[in-house]
Amino acid sequence: DTGVSQDPRHKITKRGQNVTFRCDPISEHNRLYWYRQTLGQGPEFLTYFQNEAQLEKSRLLSDRFSAERPKGSFSTLEIQRTEQGDSAMYLCASSQLAGGITDTQYFGPGTRLTVL
Amino acid sequence: DQQVKQNSPSLSVQEGRISILNCDYTNSMFDYFLWYKKYPAEGPTFLISISSIKDKNEDGRFTVFLNKSAKHLSLHIVPSQPGDSAVYFCAASEVDQFYFGTGTSLTVIP
Repeated sequence: DTGVSQDPRHKITKRGQNVTFRCDPISEHNRLYWYRQTLGQGPEFLTYFQNEAQLEKSRLLSDRFSAERPKGSFSTLEIQRTEQGDSAMYLCASSQLAGGITDTQYFGPGTRLTVL
Repeated sequence: DQQVKQNSPSLSVQEGRISILNCDYTNSMFDYFLWYKKYPAEGPTFLISISSIKDKNEDGRFTVFLNKSAKHLSLHIVPSQPGDSAVYFCAASEVDQFYFGTGTSLTVIP
């Protein structure tokens, strides 16, 4: 296992379409995070999972966004009825929580979404 | 509300000299701080971190300094190398959430 992987790397869609992204974390990591990054900004937190439980959601995450991590391994992020403002890089990161201390997050390469 | 700020969008340094990247934060509850490096078309790569109980952490050419009273941290790279040219993000953590700055683009001139 060489790191966090994300699929697809690029996605172009038309406004109003639904898109789904996948993230495969580092295998022994129990925490998985989703971030959104726009040009000139740092990553903005969207949501995170500990195992299969979604523990926190940012107010940035509208009801058009949904994330799942059904078996505590890979995760999917779905955006319904995409809008041009959803165009961004979507980053996934994973970390290991052990002894109540969260280890460093390791990021995947991201999925760049363009909504036309 | 930007809780982590990097006020210098860019920095240019001669090869071999010291690069100093700065970061300020507003939330005194942050207890863990990190620096990431990002190349174009890649995700951020972890560089170095520091816990709030320390004021300095060193790893090879990279040193992070934390001044809790000033709510300020800095990353020192010495000596700087052309391969260090990238965007550097600082991040801070409170419990389970991580907050990132807007990044500083470092260019190391050969």
